[in-house]
Amino acid sequence: DTEVTQTPKHLVMGMTNKKSLKCEQHMGHRAMYWYKQKAKKPPELMFVYSYEKLSINESVPSRFSPECPNSSLLNLHLHALQPEDSALYLCASSPTGLTNYGYTFGSGTRLTVV
Amino acid sequence: GESVGLHLPTLSVQEGDNSIINCAYSNSASDYFIWYKQESGKGPQFIIDIRSNMDKRQGQRVTVLLNKTVKHLSLQIAATQPGDSAVYFCAENYGGATNKLIFGTGTLLAVQP
Repeated sequence: DTEVTQTPKHLVMGMTNKKSLKCEQHMGHRAMYWYKQKAKKPPELMFVYSYEKLSINESVPSRFSPECPNSSLLNLHLHALQPEDSALYLCASSPTGLTNYGYTFGSGTRLTVV
Repeated sequence: GESVGLHLPTLSVQEGDNSIINCAYSNSASDYFIWYKQESGKGPQFIIDIRSNMDKRQGQRVTVLLNKTVKHLSLQIAATQPGDSAVYFCAENYGGATNKLIFGTGTLLAVQP
């Protein structure tokens, strides 16, 4: 299995809703990442987990809450989002946080906040 | 030719021609670089990578050149095909204690049949 799987593929949520994005990989990678991508823009790094511990938070608002329950799973909990948070949310993984090769991306979750 | 749109530079080429996509990276300490292809509605797809101790790497129909002196990367695609139409991003790994992969602006490659 050489894939990163993200669910759901599409999500529409209201500004008062709570929802979660999920990401799963079975490649034995020990680093996992969340990126946010707006239309016609590059992906922007949000969070990095290394060995299930949060190692980088790129000053992301607290309405985004990441969680890494185990080495294969990464969640992004969403609460009280704003319409400007609508974007494609990408998950990625790499073998370890200390080895700079082998980043694999999922297909993303298209989030619309209404 | 190449043009800069409101947000995304665009390169238009004829099918069968060679394409060259350029990227300026920001961190002189970056030690690893990747080119990604992204089609509409999909995640970034790995094309080719290069480490900072190299200046050229070749794959199938693609070549990456790295010039550390001027912090410049290029992606060359030989015999461009309609299926190559996509947005291309370069990404640099900041290195250090934890990987941090940062993407460049991106270039839209439009292949004309």
